[in-house]
Amino acid sequence: EVKLVESGGGFVQPGRSLRLSCAASGFSFENYAMHWVRQAPGKGLEWVSGISGTGGRVDFADSMQGRFIISRDNAKNSLHLQMNSLRPEDTALYYCTKDIHNYGSEIPAFDLWGQGTLVTVSS
Amino acid sequence: SYVLTQPPSVSVAPGQTATITCAGDNIGSYTVHWYQQEPGQAPVLVVYDDSDRPSGIPERFSGSNSGDTATLSISRVEAGDEAAYYCQVWDGTSGRRGVFGGGTKLTV
Repeated sequence: EVKLVESGGGFVQPGRSLRLSCAASGFSFENYAMHWVRQAPGKGLEWVSGISGTGGRVDFADSMQGRFIISRDNAKNSLHLQMNSLRPEDTALYYCTKDIHNYGSEIPAFDLWGQGTLVTVSS
Repeated sequence: SYVLTQPPSVSVAPGQTATITCAGDNIGSYTVHWYQQEPGQAPVLVVYDDSDRPSGIPERFSGSNSGDTATLSISRVEAGDEAAYYCQVWDGTSGRRGVFGGGTKLTV
């Protein structure tokens, strides 16, 4: 079965860190760019970060640049998001997503989504 | 940064055609993707690369993109199509950034 399963969310105080993980199965993980997209409660979708199949290219939304680190382990079919210096506005459901285009694209489209992991940042 | 504007809501009767717009400065020069999100569920890709459909998406869903407006059309609308719909592009003006529209709630 083709699926993505996120983990690692939870309740954290402002300024602290959290590491999200995403376990992929059912497809050739190393051939696809992967991304994180988040959704604050009751709000719309917001792209967070993406990483190429080899891990050689990473992109971040401006508000996450310098605070978040994206990585992948192709041997373990896993994607990670290290989130540092967390702020209350980072509170959201974080989705792991897969690009529909294999071997990379300048215009990724997300054809596979996990169910998300909730991050709550509050004092 | 690039901004995509969608109407907050669209209403349509069953069997009719729903049209959801996504406005952006010269959006016709961008490639647009569309997602459907039902309450409490993860989004689903319904149209990509302006007008292509992923496997399993009905032909009732179609997309177009020209000038300053991209459009998602849903023909023969069913009750099950009621959901939020988001457009998305990639802004490459300063690195590559994903940009979503604010979303449109389709009521059937």
